[in-house]
Amino acid sequence: AQSVTQPDIHITVSEGASLELRCNYSYGATPYLFWYVQSPGQGLQLLLKYFSGDTLVQGIKGFEAEFKRSQSSFNLRKPSVHWSDAAEYFCAVAPDAGGTSYGKLTFGQGTILTVHP
Amino acid sequence: GAVVSQHPSWVICKSGTSVKIECRSLDFQATTMFWYRQFPKQSLMLMATSNEGSKATYEQGVEKDKFLINHASLTLSTLTVTSAHPEDSSFYICSARTPGGNYEQYFGPGTRLTVT
Repeated sequence: AQSVTQPDIHITVSEGASLELRCNYSYGATPYLFWYVQSPGQGLQLLLKYFSGDTLVQGIKGFEAEFKRSQSSFNLRKPSVHWSDAAEYFCAVAPDAGGTSYGKLTFGQGTILTVHP
Repeated sequence: GAVVSQHPSWVICKSGTSVKIECRSLDFQATTMFWYRQFPKQSLMLMATSNEGSKATYEQGVEKDKFLINHASLTLSTLTVTSAHPEDSSFYICSARTPGGNYEQYFGPGTRLTVT
């Protein structure tokens, strides 16, 4: 079964600083990879996803993530954080197989981002 | 973009009663909806997959007689927590997937259930 680990429970950065949120996955093949952001009172919003192709993917709100097969990682980055980026971020994986596992997401534990002015 | 709503956004019920949570896809038809449970400061755990017109598929360890799921139309799925107990208190989130093989799921804002 696949699993996702986000090693950092809570990260604090200053506004304007760069950001990297870590995500490691365990899966027998190359999974489909996602990053979501959860803000209070709002549903999870998809930031970006990786299915295949270029390992550096661009997402919304200036975020990007890089898939590294050798490290089983899919870290999320942003060069300059804005105060509005404060939220909880979830990495998720889905198997690339069909059948009963089709589309099922497995989420990491989440990383809470605090942004200091 | 695709919008998913949930109702109610929060509910308080007494132990032993049942409560129904609705999940609606507002501007698209969702052949598949998912129900998740999120404990405080923890991740989302998939409870069940709901397919329109068929029985839901529950994840291991989820009591299907306690968490009744109905997906009667392409825009509505309901989760009923039967004979609720305080340990059922949690944040319940639904998501909907558009037909056509797209992996992307659109999430509702969640429902906070408190059982007293």
